[in-house]
Amino acid sequence: SQKIEQNSEALNIQEGKTATLTCNYTNYSPAYLQWYRQDPGRGPVFLLLIRENEKEKRKERLKVTFDTTLKQSLFHITASQPADSATYLCALGGYALNFGKGTSLLVTP
Amino acid sequence: EAQVTQNPRYLITVTGKKLTVTCSQNMNHEYMSWYRQDPGLGLRQIYYSMNVEVTDKGDVPEGYKVSRKEKRNFPLILESPSPNQTSLYFCASRGTLRETGNTIYFGEGSWLTVV
Repeated sequence: SQKIEQNSEALNIQEGKTATLTCNYTNYSPAYLQWYRQDPGRGPVFLLLIRENEKEKRKERLKVTFDTTLKQSLFHITASQPADSATYLCALGGYALNFGKGTSLLVTP
Repeated sequence: EAQVTQNPRYLITVTGKKLTVTCSQNMNHEYMSWYRQDPGLGLRQIYYSMNVEVTDKGDVPEGYKVSRKEKRNFPLILESPSPNQTSLYFCASRGTLRETGNTIYFGEGSWLTVV
């Protein structure tokens, strides 16, 4: 069956460090993969999309990589700030997008 | 401003009392969907609609109904709510891959408690 796996353990890092979150998937051949941010009790907000023929995508302090051989995407936040604390979801699929359960990131001053 | 608006945001209701959660989007999107989010289970799709008068079941459709009579509106109907439908509900809409890369826009969420 199709699975999207994100680390269920919260990631705690110090302000200024780089946070790296992982998304692994099985039984998908996605044409693209997306990352969303979700704050408690709020709707997820789109951050980045990366296509299967793109190895890396950047947006300000965010960087996403996509390895279709490993079936893995890495999401990096450089120079992290306490305001980056949130849950980050990866999503992939075809017309109906499926979401991972998310990884909680806590950035402490 | 591009928006997905859902109402009510918070609702406590009793078992068996029919309720409707409304959803409206102002982006002229063809695709709309409903998700529920529960601790430890993540976002699960309830129903989706690819266009007016076209709806289909998602992963957890039992106990829910939807309708899509107009492009902008996609209400979620609980005919006879039960306590296991207590959850945080999100409406979402999406443009085309060419326009927005299939990016999904979510509403603010509706907290529903069934007692």
